[in-house]
Amino acid sequence: DAKTTQPPSMDCAEGRAANLPCNHSTISGNEYVYWYRQIHSQGPQYIIHGLKNNETNEMASLIITEDRKSSTLILPHATLRDTAVYYCIVRPIRTQGGSEKLVFGKGTKLTVNP
Amino acid sequence: ETGVTQTPRHLVMGMTNKKSLKCEQHLGHNAMYWYKQSAKKPLELMFVYNFKEQTENNSVPSRFSPECPNSSHLFLHLHTLQPEDSALYLCASSRAGLDTQYFGPGTRLTVL
Repeated sequence: DAKTTQPPSMDCAEGRAANLPCNHSTISGNEYVYWYRQIHSQGPQYIIHGLKNNETNEMASLIITEDRKSSTLILPHATLRDTAVYYCIVRPIRTQGGSEKLVFGKGTKLTVNP
Repeated sequence: ETGVTQTPRHLVMGMTNKKSLKCEQHLGHNAMYWYKQSAKKPLELMFVYNFKEQTENNSVPSRFSPECPNSSHLFLHLHTLQPEDSALYLCASSRAGLDTQYFGPGTRLTVL
């Protein structure tokens, strides 16, 4: 019951920017967009999250469209170690009696090629 | 990352064994979570603890028994498991419900 849609796979050349899209057309005003990634058989790693404004940290940038119905995660200079499954997740800002669980979909398998 | 640790990293057990998975967080968080990730399936939430109290049980069979003695430690006690319980078991923690969750490396469990 993931509320997001992502392409199943993408390729990127090492050193180039990786742009990972995510559609979340049913997002509501009190929901964040979160991004995690999971390298094979390891625990998911938090990358970044945002509400309305674009966000940047040491790992990535998050661009959210003005209507908030889609977003793009940007890895500015992809390395081989960025090869992973990237998950885009929508979750509420504060509980309204609902679950605290993160709903992971199938994500995008990003392969960074040398 | 050493914020959330899990032991053991790998575990093989028979269906009649009793074993426990351990999770410890060093982030000063108050909420802890158990997730299960079966092969080629999305992560599934199992249990949530807030301030040592269980606040969510996602219809998990009783052969999985969680324990949270304090806000830094979380256990998952296993008994009479089935081969289909083989999976990656992940622990996570957050400051409070709905804050950013940080995951441990997971325990790869194989039930023979």
